Amino acid sequence: QKEVEQNSGPLSVPEGAIASLNCTYSDRGSQSFFWYRQYSGKSPELIMFIYSNGDKEDGRFTAQLNKASQYVSLLIRDSQPSDSATYLCAVIGSSNTGKLIFGQGTTLQVKP
Amino acid sequence: EAGVAQSPRYKIIEKRQSVAFWCNPISGHATLYWYQQILGQGPKLLIQFQNNGVVDDSQLPKDRFSAERLKGVDSTLKIQPAKLEDSAVYLCASSLDPASSSYEQYFGPGTRLTVT
Repeated sequence: QKEVEQNSGPLSVPEGAIASLNCTYSDRGSQSFFWYRQYSGKSPELIMFIYSNGDKEDGRFTAQLNKASQYVSLLIRDSQPSDSATYLCAVIGSSNTGKLIFGQGTTLQVKP
Repeated sequence: EAGVAQSPRYKIIEKRQSVAFWCNPISGHATLYWYQQILGQGPKLLIQFQNNGVVDDSQLPKDRFSAERLKGVDSTLKIQPAKLEDSAVYLCASSLDPASSSYEQYFGPGTRLTVT
């Protein structure tokens, strides 16, 4: 079992729709969760982080965390073609040293 | 605020040669990370420094990889000798001291290494 799992996609949504990206993790003691966006040929860019159960909203982005189900998701409202990228879920495990454990990423395609 | 700086951006070497990468973190960031990202995968941590001390190097192939952060600021990652499977993007990231409860990491542009 991988420590952090994501569906590699691609996930294709029409412009203006809601894109839903999902991630599960295996370490029940994990406390910190991050979403990075990575455009092709570029480095990961931090877009959201969440530490507590529930929802956290930032503009068109909403991160959702359910520690009981070991599940974290990212919703992108009013998706734009510029949102087309790979989205990486990352978790800091129970060791809490700051080490990020990444999933393999989900490729999102937003079609005009 | 200046971001994480890395050089070189690209490097092509033959197998068995050596190569070194340099990273300068965001000013004031005590923690520095080196990640390896193979095409189609998420980044994998190679080594983590807190100031000039090593926190985690459990996934660093120590027979060929080495890293240092002598003055607690910039860092160098070296590969000697390189293998074909070392072809990847090497990413440097930095964050504030985890004791501040701020764990957000910011990445540099990366160095794309091709081993032929």
